Amino acid sequence: GQQVMQIPQYQHVQEGEDFTTYCNSSTTLSNIQWYKQRPGGHPVFLIQLVKSGEVKKQKRLTFQFGEAKKNSSLHITATQTTDVGTYFCAGRAGTASKLTFGTGTRLQVTL
Amino acid sequence: KAGVTQTPRYLIKTRGQQVTLSCSPISGHRSVSWYQQTPGQGLQFLFEYFSETQRNKGNFPGRFSGRQFSNSRSEMNVSTLELGDSALYLCASSLSPSGAVDTQYFGPGTRLTVL
Repeated sequence: GQQVMQIPQYQHVQEGEDFTTYCNSSTTLSNIQWYKQRPGGHPVFLIQLVKSGEVKKQKRLTFQFGEAKKNSSLHITATQTTDVGTYFCAGRAGTASKLTFGTGTRLQVTL
Repeated sequence: KAGVTQTPRYLIKTRGQQVTLSCSPISGHRSVSWYQQTPGQGLQFLFEYFSETQRNKGNFPGRFSGRQFSNSRSEMNVSTLELGDSALYLCASSLSPSGAVDTQYFGPGTRLTVL
């Protein structure tokens, strides 16, 4: 079945450093979504990418969808302590397929 | 608009018992999905319902079942509980399970502990 892997599993950065998490699917995706889960909280939707090669920005966050629609990345510029949490990508192989979540990347930011 | 609500928030059961978890989606949302979250396994897909029909089912044993009612509220049931069923069960709703309205809005979850 469809598998979605994320690397790294965990990253610890100093505040102000940049951070990137990569998402790789075993199958082509119709779209890719990104979620953030704060410690003790539930996943919260960040963004959805649909087009091949699409790039979207939200303030310090930059999201990319690969040309082959099998991979994606989330880059955070100048991390802040408020960025702490686990970042998940999620995608469907087709409109009738289930939404498969990636394995997640836990980000820790210290001063 | 009220968010996704899940009841109960916490539950303690013993092995062999059964449990029913409830999820009320955001008003107007017709799609409800359930996920199991454990520290080692991440977010594992359980079921997806749309307009009372199960669209997709994850790779869980038959002890896990679910349904959706005409008002879009959903329940999931786990029978003959095992220790490994201890997890956070998350419900998510969306307007529709495809396209631009596929955004998942998660509830706070039900923390199930099996002793």
